Amino acid sequence: DAMVIQNPRYQVTQFGKPVTLSCSQTLNHNVMYWYQQKSSQAPKLLFHYYDKDFNNEADTPDNFQSRRPNTSFCFLDIRSPGLGDAAMYLCATSVGGRRETQYFGPGTRLLVL
Amino acid sequence: GDSVTQMEGPVTLSEEAFLTINCTYTATGYPSLFWYVQYPGEGLQLLLKATKADDKGSNKGFEATYRKETTSFHLEKGSVQVSDSAVYFCALSENGANNLFFGTGTRLTVIP
Repeated sequence: DAMVIQNPRYQVTQFGKPVTLSCSQTLNHNVMYWYQQKSSQAPKLLFHYYDKDFNNEADTPDNFQSRRPNTSFCFLDIRSPGLGDAAMYLCATSVGGRRETQYFGPGTRLLVL
Repeated sequence: GDSVTQMEGPVTLSEEAFLTINCTYTATGYPSLFWYVQYPGEGLQLLLKATKADDKGSNKGFEATYRKETTSFHLEKGSVQVSDSAVYFCALSENGANNLFFGTGTRLTVIP
């Protein structure tokens, strides 16, 4: 089945230690998104790639970076995680961008000790 | 700017009760509207969507109608089941934007 895959499902890191979260898709979609979802809150878009074009949201901290080496994979890098970065990180894809349905992966829950 | 206002939760219902979760939106153009569901410990799944006024989205017994005159997209189900317990998010996607604007989510608990 075509899908969005996120690994790992749970990630524990230490305060200040860089961490990378992974997302892959078999849908061959052009757009890949990263959302941050804190407990009991709505998902918040961090950035997205339309093909190779990177689009950062204005209020996304510099501590968050992303890479998309090819169509299938996208990575979220947190350079120096703080306690406030503990959250669920959701990857999503869509065929194009505007008004298109987004398909979400299961998420990676990040714990910062 | 674009925004979604969603009914405050949590909502607790008995099995087979009728469900309504209210959602209203603000948008400058003609957005697409979505309901996503998030089961415990999982990511979001698309439940249904509507792309233009008067469209009705439906799936798994859930329905929502895109009402432009009231800028609403209320979620309804005639008879809920325990397995419907989850958090429900209303969202919109605007022309010219790649972002999904989410409401704050409504937690539904269905008790036997």
